[in-house]
Amino acid sequence: QKEVEQDPGPLSVPEGAIVSLNCTYSNSAFQYFMWYRQYSRKGPELLMYTYSSGNKEDGRFTAQVDKSSKYISLFIRDSQPSDSATYLCAMSDHGSGNTGKLIFGQGTTLQVKP
Amino acid sequence: EAGVTQSPTHLIKTRGQQATLRCSPISGHTSVYWYQQALGLGLQFLLWYDEGEERNRGNFPPRFSGRQFPNYSSELNVNALELEDSALYLCASSFDMTNTGELFFGEGSRLTVL
Repeated sequence: QKEVEQDPGPLSVPEGAIVSLNCTYSNSAFQYFMWYRQYSRKGPELLMYTYSSGNKEDGRFTAQVDKSSKYISLFIRDSQPSDSATYLCAMSDHGSGNTGKLIFGQGTTLQVKP
Repeated sequence: EAGVTQSPTHLIKTRGQQATLRCSPISGHTSVYWYQQALGLGLQFLLWYDEGEERNRGNFPPRFSGRQFPNYSSELNVNALELEDSALYLCASSFDMTNTGELFFGEGSRLTVL
């Protein structure tokens, strides 16, 4: 069993839809949770960062962490064609400052159609 | 401000050869991370360097090695190349070794082993 599971998709939605992206994990020691966005032929860029449980909102993006269920989500409101990318969840038990290691999900490919 | 730069963009090698990939971190960043992104497998942690020292390595064989230079740039060496080493190799940097997950990635070096 992988430490982090993420449905690779692809996920196709119409412009303006609400998108829900999810990851499950098995290591209860994880405390730091991140979402990275990767456009085609580009490196990943950090989108959202959350420590421990709870919600975090940044513009059209909301990240949720439910440690009791070992489940994290990223919601995108009013999705735009420019949101079309691969979304990677990542997590660790020490950020990356203690081991340098983040555990990434496989990534979900999202396409937002005009 | 220049981001993380990697070279070469593409590299084609044959089995048994050696490959060298290079990375320049963002100015002021001392930590450099290497990840492998193979098709369908997500990002796998390879190596972490900080202040010229190897701080941690992932579950990869010893033929994957690297180093960090005094100017904080880094190179990744892969010896005795195998077909399954074909992947996108991503370098990332962070301000220092205490960061909690905000990694800045380059665009990667795509290695193809024939």
